[in-house]
Amino acid sequence: GAVVSQHPSWVICKSGTSVKIECRSLDFQATTMFWYRQFPKQSLMLMATSNEGSKATYEQGVEKDKFLINHASLTLSTLTVTSAHPEDSSFYICSARDKREPYNEQFFGPGTRLTVL
Amino acid sequence: AQSVTQLDSHVSVSEGTPVLLRCNYSSSYSPSLFWYVQHPNKGLQLLLKYTSAATLVKGINGFEAEFKKSETSFHLTKPSAHMSDAAEYFCVVSDRNFNKFYFGSGTKLNVKP
Repeated sequence: GAVVSQHPSWVICKSGTSVKIECRSLDFQATTMFWYRQFPKQSLMLMATSNEGSKATYEQGVEKDKFLINHASLTLSTLTVTSAHPEDSSFYICSARDKREPYNEQFFGPGTRLTVL
Repeated sequence: AQSVTQLDSHVSVSEGTPVLLRCNYSSSYSPSLFWYVQHPNKGLQLLLKYTSAATLVKGINGFEAEFKKSETSFHLTKPSAHMSDAAEYFCVVSDRNFNKFYFGSGTKLNVKP
């Protein structure tokens, strides 16, 4: 149980294009999903928290107009990197928290590697 | 504010010998602490978690960690390393509502044959 999937697992795009990454909770409902970014050989940094049916909360320094997050259902959140540039190349990981108690765990997806040329 | 410090960026052990990955935390209240493992190009897998129950926490794959409040530590141990344990390990502390996870900088474990 508690499986989170991400699609695609990797993507290469040209500079200036937009890329959408999906995060799905497969066997549970998630009222809250989280998006992280991980640079090579570094730790995970929280980008934003999304709650189903409401606007995402972005961490300081994260451009909300560049990283669009939508959490339209209890099992799906999407991250769209708009007008991507090479500096956006990174490993993006989502996590989801089950709406049922206990609330003390986040289940992580396998990650999406984005390369912007 | 909450934070964790992983004291070693790299640890190298021989197969069959004990593993010790060190983590110190800082928290303004009784913390919840986690250890996650990340294999290359993979997502994170939960090894174990401490949420104010027993101070000695047993996890998967033979790993365990002990919460020591007096030392503000949550070190991860395993009696005997296996080649498959080679990966990156992250110590994590959460905020009071489990809305934010604060990750340590990670410890890369190398297991030599």
